[in-house]
Amino acid sequence: AQKVTQAQTEISVVEKEDVTLDCVYETRDTTYYLFWYKQPPSGELVFLIRRNSFDEQNEISGRYSWNFQKSTSSFNFTITASQVVDSAVYFCALSDPHNNAGNMLTFGGGTRLMVKP
Amino acid sequence: DVKVTQSSRYLVKRTGEKVFLECVQDMDHENMFWYRQDPGLGLRLIYFSYDVKMKEKGDIPEGYSVSREKKERFSLILESASTNQTSMYLCASSILRADTQYFGPGTRLTVL
Repeated sequence: AQKVTQAQTEISVVEKEDVTLDCVYETRDTTYYLFWYKQPPSGELVFLIRRNSFDEQNEISGRYSWNFQKSTSSFNFTITASQVVDSAVYFCALSDPHNNAGNMLTFGGGTRLMVKP
Repeated sequence: DVKVTQSSRYLVKRTGEKVFLECVQDMDHENMFWYRQDPGLGLRLIYFSYDVKMKEKGDIPEGYSVSREKKERFSLILESASTNQTSMYLCASSILRADTQYFGPGTRLTVL
């Protein structure tokens, strides 16, 4: 069975601080996708990134970066120079591309990030 | 850009009422999903559909049914709403089953 753990339920930082959101996953599959979603107070889940298990290169998009480490089954998300608009709940998720039944995406419990001015 | 819309952002219904939540996507996606989100319980899959008129139960289908008569539209039905169905309902769609899901804005349903 697949599992995604986001051990940090809530993080509070002051604007301009860097912050890392942890995501640890469990799967028996060798091929899988990893995702990060952002849920601002408005409620909509916004897709941020998808990573293929064969691609371990880290990715940077503006102030966002992702560190994928297969050896530790982790897919951590760092926000550099955080801003108040980054305040949201962030979800990590895992899927098996070969799974044609049951739950498609396995979500972690989410991490609530509060960025204070 | 993928666009997923839901019929209402906020809805208040009474116990026993039949409730319809509508979801429409404009990207010709095969797969559509309904989740509910509750504090401390995360996102839980209610039902999903992989084609018109096709549906499969998710983790918590009890008390719900769905309808997919057209590819772009996926409806969630609460046959007889109960207070424990007060929740945030999120619809999503994807091209492939295990690929990126794109979510709608959500419907906050309150059952009194």
